[in-house]
Amino acid sequence: DARVTQTPRHKVTEMGQEVTMRCQPILGHNTVFWYRQTMMQGLELLAYFRNRAPLDDSGMPKDRFSAEMPDATLATLKIQPSEPRDSAVYFCASGPGGGADTQYFGPGTRLTVL
Amino acid sequence: AQSVAQPEDQVNVAEGNPLTVKCTYSVSGNPYLFWYVQYPNRGLQFLLKYITGDNLVKGSYGFEAEFNKSQTSFHLKKPSALVSDSALYFCAVRDDNYGQNFVFGPGTRLSVLP
Repeated sequence: DARVTQTPRHKVTEMGQEVTMRCQPILGHNTVFWYRQTMMQGLELLAYFRNRAPLDDSGMPKDRFSAEMPDATLATLKIQPSEPRDSAVYFCASGPGGGADTQYFGPGTRLTVL
Repeated sequence: AQSVAQPEDQVNVAEGNPLTVKCTYSVSGNPYLFWYVQYPNRGLQFLLKYITGDNLVKGSYGFEAEFNKSQTSFHLKKPSALVSDSALYFCAVRDDNYGQNFVFGPGTRLSVLP
């Protein structure tokens, strides 16, 4: 049963600290998405990749957020420095990359910045 | 640009009764439409999608959705609701003119009362 995995599942940190979230997409999927979910804003697309190349990161605050795919089995989302307003659940999703492919979501990382 | 509206924040229905969760969309090209469900502290799970063809789409757990092009709607339905269907439901659209970028609606919380 192929699944998207995310680590850590929970992260509590202090303002100013660096946070790194990791995602392992489903093997064979060539698109990867990062979303942020909050009560106020709902589900927001932060960035997405196809074949490890970033196609759109316009939803991401560039001054503190960065997203990368070092290889096909790992996607990372980094926040440096973190702020309390970054507290949210961050989801990774992957898809096979077809014309109307379904996105498959990971369980999320719940981030709390104090 | 593409957009999705879910006009109801909350839908309450008695167990055994039919349920409908509404979704309307706006795209410039052809729409690819999706429904996802989110249970507490979990990621989003795919329910069903419309790409082309038959306007009535059947999905997981007895759910179905009807694509109506003239009304630009894609309402989610189930003939007989279960208490275990209580969750947060998201409609999403991808415009085939805009690559892989999904837009999610704000979500509708479904409560099925015993």
